[in-house]
Amino acid sequence: SQTIHQWPATLVQPVGSPLSLECTVEGTSNPNLYWYRQAAGRGLQLLFYSVGIGQISSEVPQNLSASRPQDRQFILSSKKLLLSDSGFYLCAWSSYTGLTYEQYFGPGTRLTVT
Amino acid sequence: AQTVTQSQPEMSVQEAETVTLSCTYDTSESNYYLFWYKQPPSRQMILVIRQEAYKQQNATENRFSVNFQKAAKSFSLKISDSQLGDTAMYFCAAGDAGNMLTFGGGTRLMVKP
Repeated sequence: SQTIHQWPATLVQPVGSPLSLECTVEGTSNPNLYWYRQAAGRGLQLLFYSVGIGQISSEVPQNLSASRPQDRQFILSSKKLLLSDSGFYLCAWSSYTGLTYEQYFGPGTRLTVT
Repeated sequence: AQTVTQSQPEMSVQEAETVTLSCTYDTSESNYYLFWYKQPPSRQMILVIRQEAYKQQNATENRFSVNFQKAAKSFSLKISDSQLGDTAMYFCAAGDAGNMLTFGGGTRLMVKP
């Protein structure tokens, strides 16, 4: 069966510091991968998605970036965090075949920028 | 492009009763799927139920069922015999052939003992 991991689970970082959040998927090959951000009590905002190694599409211009160095690894980064980067970050994967379209989510990372 | 609207920000229901969460959507896709996700206080997003747009039969998963009205672009979720563990945010989502999901703003459901 497929599983998706995210770490760290919780992170508190000062303004201006760098960020690296990691997401890995097990039990599937060539998945589509996604990064979402969720503000408290709000819906999901798609940040980035990837259909393959090195292929990243950005949905929202901001100071965040994403990379996919391996087939089942997706990394969200920032060189200098802003207060507005605080939120709950979710990674998700879906089947590359697109047969059923659903996405499966990781447990998320709660980021607080102070 | 797709849009998904959930008009009920918050709802409450007594334990063991039935509740219906509303969702409307708009899409230019001919082939699409609709989903309901549950986000409990742990904030883990859990897929509750899926509906293929080309199927007329409404999907059912145990106590969860949908009322899919394709012409009206409506996709409501019915939870029967509500349990305390059903307390969560519920998100309606539409998926297209590019594996992209568009989410609604969510409905916060509180099940009261």
